[in-house]
Amino acid sequence: GQNIDQPTEMTATEGAIVQINCTYQTSGFNGLFWYQQHAGEAPTFLSYNVLDGLEEKGRFSSFLSRSKGYSYLLLKELQMKDSASYLCAVGETGGFKTIFGAGTRLFVKA
Amino acid sequence: DAMVIQNPRYQVTQFGKPVTLSCSQTLNHNVMYWYQQKSSQAPKLLFHYYDKDFNNEADTPDNFQSRRPNTSFCFLDIRSPGLGDAAMYLCATSREQSNQPQHFGDGTRLSIL
Repeated sequence: GQNIDQPTEMTATEGAIVQINCTYQTSGFNGLFWYQQHAGEAPTFLSYNVLDGLEEKGRFSSFLSRSKGYSYLLLKELQMKDSASYLCAVGETGGFKTIFGAGTRLFVKA
Repeated sequence: DAMVIQNPRYQVTQFGKPVTLSCSQTLNHNVMYWYQQKSSQAPKLLFHYYDKDFNNEADTPDNFQSRRPNTSFCFLDIRSPGLGDAAMYLCATSREQSNQPQHFGDGTRLSIL
């Protein structure tokens, strides 16, 4: 079956580093996405990994291990505006669909 | 700026009264999606179009229909909304493959009285 697991909530302090983990079991794999979603707003694309390793993009980095079905999103120098839900999602092979996780709600405190 | 636009942002309807949500895009993407998202849950795919080819998810209720009259526009029709259909409805577009990121509209929050 298709399953994407990520923690429900996390809390971190402004200026700190936080790592949000995601594990997945899907019938096909065409890459892993991370999206950011502020409350009441639409998801926005953050990163895409299809090969193993770390992709860095400013304060945000994303890691993938395909053999372990595992990814993480690393946020550095946390800011209050980073308080949001972070959705892990997997692209299916053979089509156009993406399977989304339920998201991790990150609270950044002063 | 190229974008995905959903109207209205907030929609209130009565139990059982048909409602239509609209989505337009200027990205010229072939694929358009409709998702339902309830609080603290993953977006749930209802349908997607590749050009005019319509793909319905197996668990999408018959109460939900969709139309895509041209590349730019897509509509979600809820024929007889029930209380359980209150949710955020998200429209998204992407290029052809599932390894392309999706671009979302701001969503329509639907309330049922």
